[in-house]
Amino acid sequence: GENVEQHPSTLSVQEGDSAVIKCTYSDSASNYFPWYKQELGKGPQLIIDIRSNVGEKKDQRIAVTLNKTAKHFSLHITETQPEDSAVYFCAAKVNAGKSTFGDGTTLTVKP
Amino acid sequence: DTEVTQTPKHLVMGMTNKKSLKCEQHMGHRAMYWYKQKAKKPPELMFVYSYEKLSINESVPSRFSPECPNSSLLNLHLHALQPEDSALYLCASSQDRAFTYEQYFGPGTRLTVT
Repeated sequence: GENVEQHPSTLSVQEGDSAVIKCTYSDSASNYFPWYKQELGKGPQLIIDIRSNVGEKKDQRIAVTLNKTAKHFSLHITETQPEDSAVYFCAAKVNAGKSTFGDGTTLTVKP
Repeated sequence: DTEVTQTPKHLVMGMTNKKSLKCEQHMGHRAMYWYKQKAKKPPELMFVYSYEKLSINESVPSRFSPECPNSSLLNLHLHALQPEDSALYLCASSQDRAFTYEQYFGPGTRLTVT
């Protein structure tokens, strides 16, 4: 089955800096890659996603890149703010299959 | 309205109790999911309902019993739980058939089994 590895497990940045979280996946058939943000006491919220026919997608300060050949994808957050502090999960799935999640990255943005 | 609601927010129950968790969505989604999440871990899929029929049971112990009374509601009935079942229980929904589209998660019910 699919295996998703996520790094780093914790990340601390200064407000205004950029943050990058990386994930690798094992199943070359995976074609949908969502990123979720989970704040304390809340459920995961989809913040951005990318499909395998696209190499990069951007939404304001958040971007995701996908390298199908290397089977890895990354989340980039620019101009980080304290409210970006949360746990971030990557996931990978094939078409109508279930998502396989990474183990999560705890991001702390220091004011 | 892109909201999935869950009640209660917190639940403490003894090992002999029977309780239920409730999930509701009014987005017209036809797939609904139950996940279990332990601290600092990703969500683990438990059950999936697609068009009100149970389509996936991830080998969950029978002390957890899901129910989908209609397309907007999803329940999880709990009986004779163990302390290791303490976790955050998340409900999610998505458009059309299971896993076809993005999932929207509720805030979860924090369950403590004493």
